[in-house]
Amino acid sequence: AQSVSQHNHHVILSEAASLELGCNYSYGGTVNLFWYVQYPGQHLQLLLKYFSGDPLVKGIKGFEAEFIKSKFSFNLRKPSVQWSDTAEYFCAVNAGAAGNKLTFGGGTRVLVKP
Amino acid sequence: DAGVTQSPTHLIKTRGQQVTLRCSPKSGHDTVSWYQQALGQGPQFIFQYYEEEERQRGNFPDRFSGHQFPNYSSELNVNALLLGDSALYLCASSRWAYEQYFGPGTRLTVT
Repeated sequence: AQSVSQHNHHVILSEAASLELGCNYSYGGTVNLFWYVQYPGQHLQLLLKYFSGDPLVKGIKGFEAEFIKSKFSFNLRKPSVQWSDTAEYFCAVNAGAAGNKLTFGGGTRVLVKP
Repeated sequence: DAGVTQSPTHLIKTRGQQVTLRCSPKSGHDTVSWYQQALGQGPQFIFQYYEEEERQRGNFPDRFSGHQFPNYSSELNVNALLLGDSALYLCASSRWAYEQYFGPGTRLTVT
């Protein structure tokens, strides 16, 4: 069975700092990878996705993620965060052969101090 | 274009009761998936409906059942509610294997 782990449960940083959230998955076959964000009081929104091609993918709001197949990782990055990036971030995987059932990590709460 | 909608927003039920949650997918989407999100955790996959049939199921007991209607909307039913069923229930829609879009969820509290 596939699983997803997010290394940090909570991250606190100041505005303009750089952000990197780790995500590792366990599945040996073809995968599609996603990062979702949940802002306070809002529903889950898709930040970015990787299906194939360039392993460095760019998403909305200045976020990017890099797929490293050899490390089974899909880390999320943003060079300079803003207070409005305060949210919970979820990494998710679906195994290509299993349709589009998503397996989520436990989430990382990010607090950006103004 | 309306996104994924869910009803009701909040629900309080007593142990042993039954509950039905509803979901309308985003326009143009034909697949509906349901997830349970307990407090402080990531969403857990319950099941997925496509062409009015359950296509995939997660590790949830038979007390959890669902239905998809010809207009692609869907219901999630939970029988014999337990305290542990208290959670946020999320509906997501997609065009088959493409990315999923989530609704705001239904917050179920079982007392």
